[in-house]
Amino acid sequence: GDSVTQKQGQVTLSEDDFLFINCTYSTTTYPTLLWYVQYLGQGPQLLLKVTTANNKGISRGFEATYDKGTTSFHLQKASVQESDSAVYFCALVSYQGGRALIFGTGTTVSVSP
Amino acid sequence: EAAVTQSPRNKVAVTGGKVTLSCNQTNNHNNMYWYRQDTGHGLRLIHYSYGAGSTEKGDIPDGYKASRPSQENFSLILELATPSQTSVYFCASGDGPTEVFFGKGTRLTVV
Repeated sequence: GDSVTQKQGQVTLSEDDFLFINCTYSTTTYPTLLWYVQYLGQGPQLLLKVTTANNKGISRGFEATYDKGTTSFHLQKASVQESDSAVYFCALVSYQGGRALIFGTGTTVSVSP
Repeated sequence: EAAVTQSPRNKVAVTGGKVTLSCNQTNNHNNMYWYRQDTGHGLRLIHYSYGAGSTEKGDIPDGYKASRPSQENFSLILELATPSQTSVYFCASGDGPTEVFFGKGTRLTVV
């Protein structure tokens, strides 16, 4: 069945560092891949969406891309700020059995000033 | 801005007791979801609904029931709470899988 794997559990950075988070996915359909961000005490909120049509999404300085050959998708930001400290989830839209989103296990990003 | 409100925000329950988590959305979305969040597991789908009167099992439905009495309200029910159900629960609503809005979560502790 559809699945997504997010191996980086924790990333620790300093301000102005480069952020890169990677997920891999498996699906038999054309993938729609999402990135959600969860700030402390909040629910997850949509950050970016990438589809086979657009190949790339950009929002709030973040860029999401995907690689069909390696079935992986990435989130990156050139220069992080302390306010980017949060948990980042990758997610795959799945239509198997009526399910909506399959989430990765999340990457906790901590940015120090 | 889509609004999904969960209550209570924090709950302590005793093992074997009944727990009801409530969710209200004011966006007139057809679909509603219940997820639980645990370290190392991310967000896992418990139950979902396509509209009033409908409930469907997600990936981890065992030990949970759901109720959708109206378009706006979706409840998660633990008939016999167990310590393994200690978690943070999120309700979400949306009209499509790429436009899903989450509430702020309910922290449930079963002792």
